[in-house]
Amino acid sequence: GAGVSQSPRYKVAKRGQDVALRCDPISGHVSLFWYQQALGQGPEFLTYFQNEAQLDKSGLPSDRFFAERPEGSVSTLKIQRTQQEDSAVYLCASSLPPVTHEQYFGPGTRLTVT
Amino acid sequence: QQQVKQSPQSLIVQKGGISIINCAYENTAFDYFPWYQQFPGKGPALLIAIRPDVSEKKEGRFTISFNKSAKQFSLHIMDSQPGDSATYFCAAGNYGGSQGNLIFGKGTKLSVKP
Repeated sequence: GAGVSQSPRYKVAKRGQDVALRCDPISGHVSLFWYQQALGQGPEFLTYFQNEAQLDKSGLPSDRFFAERPEGSVSTLKIQRTQQEDSAVYLCASSLPPVTHEQYFGPGTRLTVT
Repeated sequence: QQQVKQSPQSLIVQKGGISIINCAYENTAFDYFPWYQQFPGKGPALLIAIRPDVSEKKEGRFTISFNKSAKQFSLHIMDSQPGDSATYFCAAGNYGGSQGNLIFGKGTKLSVKP
């Protein structure tokens, strides 16, 4: 079956621009995660949804980062007024509780802020 | 504070050899320890995972060894192949808990020489 898909795969933004990154989880997966992966580092947790409820947003680095999942399926991660330090790969993962940690990752969106 | 420490940062192994990657964690509340494999330009893929009720888990050429008292776990890749060349991440989390996120190590870049 189809895995987790993300779009766009690559995004170049000028500093100060707003960006929106999309994640389509595996059909039926109620849990959805966003991670940020800097070059040469492991993924770092940003936020977690169960259906449409955002249960944990403790990893969001600033109030410029916002995520939503209004209908409990597709999710969007929005970054306002992008900064150079936001350059990273943004990964989305989904899972099917109760085994929340069998997380299936998408290919990621590589964001470059110039 | 880095909660999951991974070593080595890089590893070169001859084809047919054994690759060993080690991780140590700090939070004794962690009870789920997966390993992910990541190829360039792809998202991490779940390889194998273990819970603390067993000391070892084997799937094909991949084995996790777990030492609860030392708070350490390791990945062994037997009969390493050039196709195993990738970056490997260990992670830790709370199985089935309300906090679904995983804490990742910084990764080990494995190169298997033919």
